[in-house]
Order: sequence, then structure tokens, then C-alpha cells
Amino acid sequence: EAGVTQSPTHLIKTRGQQATLRCSPISGHTSVYWYQQALGLGLQFLLWYDEGEERNRGNFPPRFSGRQFPNYSSELNVNALELEDSALYLCASSLYVAGGVHEQYFGPGTRLTVT
Amino acid sequence: QQPVQSPQAVILREGEDAVINCSSSKALYSVHWYRQKHGEAPVFLMILLKGGEQKGHEKISASFNEKKQQSSLYLTASQLSYSGTYFCGTEMSGGSNYKLTFGKGTLLTVNP
Repeated sequence: EAGVTQSPTHLIKTRGQQATLRCSPISGHTSVYWYQQALGLGLQFLLWYDEGEERNRGNFPPRFSGRQFPNYSSELNVNALELEDSALYLCASSLYVAGGVHEQYFGPGTRLTVT
Repeated sequence: QQPVQSPQAVILREGEDAVINCSSSKALYSVHWYRQKHGEAPVFLMILLKGGEQKGHEKISASFNEKKQQSSLYLTASQLSYSGTYFCGTEMSGGSNYKLTFGKGTLLTVNP
């Protein structure tokens, strides 16, 4: 069974530009989570999508946005990039189970560097 | 509110035991544990639910003290493969917002 995939592996952008990151979940998983992992800060929750809808978001500005497609893959867009957006962006997929967060399967991440 | 993990780092020799703690100032619905090896994606270890239910890895044990809002991960007879950064993720609000807040991690190094 294929795991969670993310593309691209690395992305280098200039301050002020836009970045688009992509994620394909495990087959059968309808929930996709996005996290930012900056050095020393652990995993910071960005967004949760399920069945094509944004269900919850973390404490990030609106320039962090995304969407989930009918095939459950997802895209994270970061507009007006700032230097502090440089980080590893992880996507995780999960089954949706009523009653709370289920086991999450993480992708390898996209390393975003803003210069 | 980000949970606090302790210790920040621990170095062991193969065969030794370790305990990693995760504390929250808020009432928790569940605690999740993940391990991330250098350059790799985090891997699920365990979920502990309010009320005592546990789901996860057979060879790793954990506890969840609801009164103290604290979870502990027990790594016994450590192996070289246990090396990595351990993260706890906490979920609040009765499991209705489906959001995990992760701690900053505990770096575990197991030496031969």
C-alpha cells in the first residue's frame, strides 16, 4: 500500500512570492492535516481537511490556505512568503473516525526555503 | 496551549530504560505519541484516551494520568532503533475539534 506522498521535495522561493505544496493521502483516507515544522518548535498544526472541506485551522495568518480535491489530495498555498516561513511542511492523512483524532500517517515533507 | 515535554534530550546505552513525560495545563481528551528519526517523517506510536483506552505499539508502553493531565512514555530495554525525536500531541475539547497540539519533542539517543 502506497504511503502519503508530497511534492515537491524541496522548494526555494523569494520573499513575497507564492508557494504551492501538494499532498496525496493513503488510499481510503479522507482526512488530510498540514503541519509546519520549524527548527526547535516541534510540529505546528496548520489546517485540517475532510471530505473537501476545511474543518479546522491553527494559529496561522490567512495567507496560509489550501484546499482538498474530490480525490482527497490536498494543496497548501502560502502567499506573500516571509523569511520565517522557511520550514519543513508535513502532510498527514487519516481515517475520519467520530470522536477524535485518529492515527495519522505522515508524508516525507516539503522543505520550503524562502530567501 | 503547547504541551511541555521533559526531558528535552536523553542519552542512553543499549538496554537501558527511559521515561519521557508530556504535561498539559488544559484538560485533555487524548494524548498521541510519535517518533521521528532524523530526515524522516514522524511515525505513530500510541494513542491514549481519556478513560484509559490505549491503542498502539506492542513494545512501547505509556500511561495517561487524567488528574495531572500528564502522559508518560516508557521505553524499556532500549535498542539502537529507538533513537529519534519523540513528540507528544494533545487533543482537547472532548475530541470534537480534531486538532493535535504537539510538544517541542524529546531527542533520544541510544548508543551501543
